[in-house]
Amino acid sequence: DAGITQSPRHKVTETGTPVTLRCHQTENHRYMYWYRQDPGHGLRLIHYSYGVKDTDKGEVSDGYSVSRSKTEDFLLTLESATSSQTSVYFCAISVGGGNTEAFFGQGTRLTVV
Amino acid sequence: AQKITQTQPGMFVQEKEAVTLDCTYDTSDQSYGLFWYKQPSSGEMIFLIYQGSYDEQNATEGRYSLNFQKARKSANLVISASQLGDSAMYFCAMREGSQAYSTLTFGKGTMLLVSP
Repeated sequence: DAGITQSPRHKVTETGTPVTLRCHQTENHRYMYWYRQDPGHGLRLIHYSYGVKDTDKGEVSDGYSVSRSKTEDFLLTLESATSSQTSVYFCAISVGGGNTEAFFGQGTRLTVV
Repeated sequence: AQKITQTQPGMFVQEKEAVTLDCTYDTSDQSYGLFWYKQPSSGEMIFLIYQGSYDEQNATEGRYSLNFQKARKSANLVISASQLGDSAMYFCAMREGSQAYSTLTFGKGTMLLVSP
């Protein structure tokens, strides 16, 4: 267990509503990531953070925003959820550096109806 | 162009046999790292093995080994003596560069089924 908690674990929401997913870590790692997993696409990076208030976009950032006001929390927000954002969302953490693996949370299954 | 290519959507193997899962990568960086993750049906992502671009020896972790062929840009995962619990989705991933903030890029995965 890498000390990562994602909440909620499951959520069903309606199109057009805002949704926030939370990632909480107890490892004090500097780097945090949000990925989405879809069949046939593997995992794709949405946003990542390299420190408090320091974030950057990933491959599929459109429609998503993030915030990191504390080292331990990384929030992913869907401002106005769409059906195309139905997915499994994974948070990951790492100590940084090219030779370090990322540790993943348990995932959040989000369904937008 | 895809940075990580896993050409086998699915693989079947019998228990106790060895199996190779293919992964090719594309990068112009000299420094990079290659990773394999396992995702069982329960959904969690489990780190298996890592190979650095400058590592001269192939990485091994128990029954897992990584067949690293740098010139061919391939990083195949070899699982020896397959077990029923090895049935899962397997993802190859790459981290380019040596910067601390460099991120992981994943392939689309290979589903491995181990039969008795």
